[in-house]
Amino acid sequence: RKEVEQDPGPFNVPEGATVAFNCTYSNSASQSFFWYRQDCRKEPKLLMSVYSSGNEDGRFTAQLNRASQYISLLIRDSKLSDSATYLCVVRLNDYKLSFGAGTTVTVRA
Amino acid sequence: DGGITQSPKYLFRKEGQNVTLSCEQNLNHDAMYWYRQDPGQGLRLIYYSQIVNDFQKGDIAEGYSVSREKKESFPLTVTSAQKNPTAFYLCASSIDQGVLTGELFFGEGSRLTVL
Repeated sequence: RKEVEQDPGPFNVPEGATVAFNCTYSNSASQSFFWYRQDCRKEPKLLMSVYSSGNEDGRFTAQLNRASQYISLLIRDSKLSDSATYLCVVRLNDYKLSFGAGTTVTVRA
Repeated sequence: DGGITQSPKYLFRKEGQNVTLSCEQNLNHDAMYWYRQDPGQGLRLIYYSQIVNDFQKGDIAEGYSVSREKKESFPLTVTSAQKNPTAFYLCASSIDQGVLTGELFFGEGSRLTVL
């Protein structure tokens, strides 16, 4: 079983829509969680950390459910510039991050 | 501007040849990492280095080698022993000696194609 699993999508949404997707992780001892954004053929960049109580950063909301071992990302009022692949990342220990394969979001005009 | 520079951006190699990918950072970060990205898969860790003159194998180190003689530099050699080397290679660094903050700073990547 993969350490981190994501629905690859793509999620095709119109501008202004809300889109949400999940990521599941297999190791219950995972210590912390993050969402990265990767544009086509570019390097990944940290989008936001995911806190136990849930957190928002502008139009982005991240949630963590430790009991069911998943995290989620919700994007409100989607912009064309939100089109990207979103990578779910789990920190297993002090030196290892485990990356999901990514969920692709395409926002259309 | 501070950042991570990888070169070359694109590289073609014949089977049986070794190739070295360069990674240089001027962020003054202690830790550096090499990842490989393949379509439909998450990034996989090849090697990492927490400090100069020290490095550790990641999950898929076979067929690769690294060195860390300077803080700024962490080159990756893809040897002929690597059975499936065609991939997108990403170098990264982190501000601490691990990944406690979860934030890695990536270079723009090197796309290696074996002909």
